[in-house]
Amino acid sequence: DGGITQSPKYLFRKEGQNVTLSCEQNLNHDAMYWYRQDPGQGLRLIYYSQIVNDFQKGDIAEGYSVSREKKESFPLTVTSAQKNPTAFYLCASSRGWGPDTQYFGPGTRLTVL
Amino acid sequence: GQQLNQSPQSMFIQEGEDVSMNCTSSSIFNTWLWYKQEPGEGPVLLIALYKAGELTSNGRLTAQFGITRKDSFLNISASIPSDVGIYFCAGINRDDKIIFGKGTRLHILP
Repeated sequence: DGGITQSPKYLFRKEGQNVTLSCEQNLNHDAMYWYRQDPGQGLRLIYYSQIVNDFQKGDIAEGYSVSREKKESFPLTVTSAQKNPTAFYLCASSRGWGPDTQYFGPGTRLTVL
Repeated sequence: GQQLNQSPQSMFIQEGEDVSMNCTSSSIFNTWLWYKQEPGEGPVLLIALYKAGELTSNGRLTAQFGITRKDSFLNISASIPSDVGIYFCAGINRDDKIIFGKGTRLHILP
């Protein structure tokens, strides 16, 4: 089946530790995105990548880092510099950059203790 | 920056009732998208709209791209329990940036 997978579903980390969230897609999409969702809030863009080996900061990139070494994969690292990392993280992809519809993965809930 | 005002923020309705929600902005968008999110899951695309005035249906769901290109509407007819969730609108502007509304949380009373 084609789709976007995120793992793990739930993640717990101690304060001060870096943690990497996985996002894989087999839709052959060029563009991938990471969003953060907090209760009662809309989706806020962290980073996006229009093509392999290229990525751009979104609206709330501070404390996060990404890589895009393969078309299918766009991992997000939440660093210890992120002041309030506990949130629901959503990965999305689209066929191309621009007005193409974004499709979302199931999300990873990160809790920092 | 650009914002989408989505309303209502939440709604409680009886099973079988029709539902209406909308998204408005002071800015123009070229594409409107409607998503549904269930608890603990990612948003799922319901309807995509690409032209001003466009009216598109997906089963009991109908969405419209406003004539002014500054708003969009989603209607759900004859609601059922599985319609519960958060409905998000999203607009893609002329810079190809996607903006999300804050969602409408739908509750259905038995």
